[in-house]
Amino acid sequence: EVQLVESGGGLVQPGGSLRLSCAASGFTFSDHYMDWVRQAPGKGLEWVARIRNKANSHTTEYAASVKGRFTISRDDSTDSLYLHMNSLNTEDTAVYYCSRYYYNSRDRAFDYWGQGTLVTVSS
Amino acid sequence: DIQLTQSPSFLSASVGDRVTITCRASQGINSYLAWYQQKPGKAPKLLIYTASTLQTGVPSRFSGSGSGTEFTLAIGSLQPEDFASYYCQQLDSYPLTFGGGTKVELK
Repeated sequence: EVQLVESGGGLVQPGGSLRLSCAASGFTFSDHYMDWVRQAPGKGLEWVARIRNKANSHTTEYAASVKGRFTISRDDSTDSLYLHMNSLNTEDTAVYYCSRYYYNSRDRAFDYWGQGTLVTVSS
Repeated sequence: DIQLTQSPSFLSASVGDRVTITCRASQGINSYLAWYQQKPGKAPKLLIYTASTLQTGVPSRFSGSGSGTEFTLAIGSLQPEDFASYYCQQLDSYPLTFGGGTKVELK
């Protein structure tokens, strides 16, 4: 059974930093691209970042709203995904989800999601 | 960036109703369009991908259609467990974007 379990959320002051983790199990983690998606309270979904698999050199993509402040990384030896967040501001307050990217020559989707971890940026 | 416009934002319906939600893209997305269902306090759940392919385990009352820039999610006969929010997502180009969501409420 595929499982994604996020951790590391909490209360942080504006300008602070936080590292989120996502523990994956039930599938060959190293084969998959992985993404972070966030959802501000009462708002819609916003894609945050992607990291490709080793075959694609672990390259990354970011939303403009976080580029230069957030860093996505992974450790395939421990089946873990990370999101390092710096220079946090109140607009970063959200539930952060990790998700698995499914794709082939025809299909693309986020097929599995974690339960989310809440990040609150407030003084 | 590709903008996705979902309509309606809110939908009031009864059990047994057929409902449709539309997602319009600001440019063509090669049918790389997915639909998700989200219930309060829960993670999104994949329903449909590549515009019309039903995810394994999703009831057949859900269906997706469309191509180019206009896509539709239909629920054939609304069940009590279907009252939730629904989001479309384009996976054609970066940044990946979501529609604003449609909340389906009990009339």
